[in-house]
Amino acid sequence: GAVVSQHPSWVICKSGTSVKIECRSLDFQATTMFWYRQFPKQSLMLMATSNEGSKATYEQGVEKDKFLINHASLTLSTLTVTSAHPEDSSFYICSATGTSSYEQYFGPGTRLTVT
Amino acid sequence: LAKTTQPISMDSYEGQEVNITCSHNNIATNDYITWYQQFPSQGPRFIIQGYKTKVTNEVASLFIPADRKSSTLSLPRVSLSDTAVYYCLVGDIENNAGNMLTFGGGTRLMVKP
Repeated sequence: GAVVSQHPSWVICKSGTSVKIECRSLDFQATTMFWYRQFPKQSLMLMATSNEGSKATYEQGVEKDKFLINHASLTLSTLTVTSAHPEDSSFYICSATGTSSYEQYFGPGTRLTVT
Repeated sequence: LAKTTQPISMDSYEGQEVNITCSHNNIATNDYITWYQQFPSQGPRFIIQGYKTKVTNEVASLFIPADRKSSTLSLPRVSLSDTAVYYCLVGDIENNAGNMLTFGGGTRLMVKP
């Protein structure tokens, strides 16, 4: 099946710094990528939807200036958490859909800890 | 929006069949039903998807009654490694927005030896 990778798998950063998370589709072209956030013992919450070459669409309540999403190619989307704070500590998961399938393929997730 | 309702948790024993039911009373005509499995600190994994009646693959079966207001994920002969959270999603797969991206609370399945 289609594979989606994320890098890094975990990251620790200091409060006030920025951190970038990469999401790659390894064996298919991802026309659309999605970013989710998941807090402990909770469900996934969609943050934003990005299509290659266009601006991301953010869900209500998600600050677009804080969570910068770039989908520069059909195989790569990045999420940058700017000026991170401890409350941004969470598990960030991306997913992607291709041109030939409606299935969402999920990445393994990135654990962000802000100290 | 087609909201889904699932039991919060279920317990089972190894070798038993587990059935997890999801309610989606206001499912739309174009909506499909998709189930995902998630282990701790991992991304969700696709299990099965269906529109009506019964769908079966190598890991599970999905039963959907005629009115499509609910669906049941059936896991045959579970093992300890099936302990996970199972999510039911409902939405228009041709329009990847809204419901198809809305995860409900999920069902936490615990398989005991």
